[in-house]
Amino acid sequence: EPEVTQTPSHQVTQMGQEVILRCVPISNHLYFYWYRQILGQKVEFLVSFYNNEISEKSEIFDDQFSVERPDGSNFTLKIRSTKLEDSAMYFCASSYRDIGYEQYFGPGTRLTVT
Amino acid sequence: AQSVTQPDIHITVSEGASLELRCNYSYGATPYLFWYVQSPGQGLQLLLKYFSGDTLVQGIKGFEAEFKRSQSSFNLRKPSVHWSDAAEYFCAVGTYNNNDMRFGAGTRLTVKP
Repeated sequence: EPEVTQTPSHQVTQMGQEVILRCVPISNHLYFYWYRQILGQKVEFLVSFYNNEISEKSEIFDDQFSVERPDGSNFTLKIRSTKLEDSAMYFCASSYRDIGYEQYFGPGTRLTVT
Repeated sequence: AQSVTQPDIHITVSEGASLELRCNYSYGATPYLFWYVQSPGQGLQLLLKYFSGDTLVQGIKGFEAEFKRSQSSFNLRKPSVHWSDAAEYFCAVGTYNNNDMRFGAGTRLTVKP
């Protein structure tokens, strides 16, 4: 069964450093998403991406964040200058179509900012 | 914007007992409703979803949920819980005209032997 993969599984970085979280969505999917989950809190929507541009973003997704689909398979989330409060589990998801279709989630990347 | 409330942070049930997890949503039009399960260290897996039609929806692993518009609820049920059902359960709501999905805070299910 096809699945969404994410690398790395755990990333430790120092405050102020840039990080790139990588995702490989399911190959025939057209919509891509990033969510985050701070430890013990709810899953929060960050951004959705379709047709090589952002289609929705939340208030969390400020100028420090960016997303990119650099090639036909990868979907990345970049945090330009990490803060302590960026420590969280980051989930990538993809779907064939928009909200009416199931979003398949990856296993997540745990980001620890020290 | 749409929002979701899961009133129960933690529920403990005995194996074989029935289960109901509560979910209330807030949205002015017809929502798209989802239940996801998250096992420790894992991603989110879709259990079931409601968009329209029959208000009682069947999902995987023996779960079902009922959409009640009058109560703005979408409670998850299972008639007989198995030890492997122990996990975190998230209710989520989406809308037709935007692409973000809002999650509830989650309910952690513990299953006693």
